[in-house]
Parts: sequence; C-alpha cells; structure tokens
Amino acid sequence: EVQLLESGGGLVQPGGSMRLSCAASGFTFGSSAMSWVRQAPGKGLEWVSSISGSFVTTYYADSVKGRFTITRDNSKNTVYLQMNSLRADDTAVYYCAKDFWGASHDSWGQGTLVTVSS
Amino acid sequence: IQLTQSPSSLSASVGDRVTITCRASQAISTYLAWYQQKPGKAPKLLIYAASTLQSGVPSRFTGSGSGTDFTLTISSLQPEDFATYYCQQINSSPYTFGQGTKLEI
Repeated sequence: EVQLLESGGGLVQPGGSMRLSCAASGFTFGSSAMSWVRQAPGKGLEWVSSISGSFVTTYYADSVKGRFTITRDNSKNTVYLQMNSLRADDTAVYYCAKDFWGASHDSWGQGTLVTVSS
Repeated sequence: IQLTQSPSSLSASVGDRVTITCRASQAISTYLAWYQQKPGKAPKLLIYAASTLQSGVPSRFTGSGSGTDFTLTISSLQPEDFATYYCQQINSSPYTFGQGTKLEI
C-alpha cells in the first residue's frame, strides 16, 4: 500500500522559511516522480512543484519560482519542499503526491498546513 | 495553460446524470486528469489520459474529449459522489488545475 506522510508544517512569519518533508513507502520511490500541490483555505487546488525520479528535472509554478526548491533523497524515500521568503498567500494545506501517468497524481498524503502570519 | 471548468457549482439528485466540462486555453491533446475531493480529504484520481478510468473507480464515471474541450460525466449519481471535482492539464508545466466544480445535493 502506498503511503505518503507529510511533516514540517506550522506557523511561520512573513519572510520566513520552512521545509516540508514527505516520507514515502509502498512503492519504488526512486523510479517515481513526485509533486507538491497546495490548497489555500476554502480555495481550489494549485500545483506547486514536481521532481523527476532521477531528480535531474524540476518544475515550479510561477507563483513559487525562485522562492521554493524541491529536492529528494532516494536513500531515505523522502521528498522535500524548501520554502523561503514566505508570504501570506502561501498559507495553504500542502499535499505530497506521487506522479502516475504524466504528471497526474495517483496517491496523495494527508496534507500539512502551513500558515504564514505575524 | 488555463483551464476553465463549468459550471462552478451544480445541484443534482441521486440517480441523475451530470456532466462537467473543462476547457483548456490551448490544445493539450488528451493530457488531462480528473480528480474528486471531499471536504477535509486529499483529492482522488478518477480519470487520466482524458478517458482512462483509474483502477478501482466505478464505471459510472466517464471522461471524454481531446484538444481543448473535455467532459466528465457521472451516469447515475450516488450519495458518495457529492464532492468537488477538478480537472488538471498535464501537457506542460505548470500543470494547472481547473477552479473546481462543487456538486451538491
């Protein structure tokens, strides 16, 4: 059974930094591209970033480019999202997701809430 | 690439047939996925490649379309189908989602 467990969310001040982690199990992690998707309170889904299985290729939404960095450690079956220069509009539940066909996502974590506020 | 879903919300009854549309701002072939999300839960993949049913998803869900126009049809609504539905284009980064369609009783 595929399991994705996010951690690292919480309250951070505007301009601050935070690193999210997603521990994966139940599938061949090193062969799977992974993504982060977020959802602001009461809003729709927003794709944030993806990383290929070989971690050579990364992709970012325009809204986070230059501020967020996605990485992975295949020895630990973990994907990370380093978030810098956080703004109030980054407040959201952040989901880790396993990519399936193309960049569709067939497995999701439970989400971790990031609140950017003073 | 922008995705526009319609309607934004929809009221229906158990047993109804409903259709949700998703229009892309440029052609994306069949690089489209559909998700269902219930309150407080992570999204669930229903359909990928525009029309391929994900394993375990009931056959009352059908996806169709290519290019710029896509539809998700639920043939006979069940109580558990009342949720919000999103399309996502996976043709090119950024892999944008539609704004969602809330299906209500």
